[in-house]
Amino acid sequence: ETGVTQSPTHLIKTRGQQVTLRCSSQSGHNTVSWYQQALGQGPQFIFQYYREEENGRGNFPPRFSGLQFPNYSSELNVNALELDDSALYLCASSLRQAGGNTIYFGEGSWLTVV
Amino acid sequence: GQQVMQIPQYQHVQEGEDFTTYCNSSTTLSNIQWYKQRPGGHPVFLIQLVKSGEVKKQKRLTFQFGEAKKNSSLHITATQTTDVGTYFCAGFFGNEKLTFGTGTRLTIIP
Repeated sequence: ETGVTQSPTHLIKTRGQQVTLRCSSQSGHNTVSWYQQALGQGPQFIFQYYREEENGRGNFPPRFSGLQFPNYSSELNVNALELDDSALYLCASSLRQAGGNTIYFGEGSWLTVV
Repeated sequence: GQQVMQIPQYQHVQEGEDFTTYCNSSTTLSNIQWYKQRPGGHPVFLIQLVKSGEVKKQKRLTFQFGEAKKNSSLHITATQTTDVGTYFCAGFFGNEKLTFGTGTRLTIIP
């Protein structure tokens, strides 16, 4: 158990629809990152939030957006879903500290776009 | 761009044999982390290496960070069936973005 919970665990959406994925961070962690992991590949960084502000973004289009709330929980929103958005979406929480962060991943949300 | 490559992509070993995966970065890393992901599961943090030339051990697992902080390796001695999974290295390039390697998928032949 990492203390990071994600919901929903599985969902199926139709191309063009919108989806919201949720993440509850480990207690005390002020940083949350979202990753997309396509089948057979490594996780790809989408963006990171630190104290409710976006703190870095990977090579994902603007239809991928996020929020971090005062309690450090987070949402990932994807608009205008495409078939290639089908993937495992991972939330990772961490506590920013000198020398690097230990990152705790949730179990992920499996998104299938049909 | 900043990339992290891993070799081999796949490794099949007999139970009891050793296993090594190698990680190489295009540029210097501020630190490197290793993760294990079981089939159908999520990445699980194994270890973080920060110092140039650092070597850390966890039971049968030995992790190394290169002197130039551009490469790393994970070595498993006497593999067991519980070692099955995909091993990822992931590096920080001085920013907050953790860049994952391509992963090495380990299968064990009993």
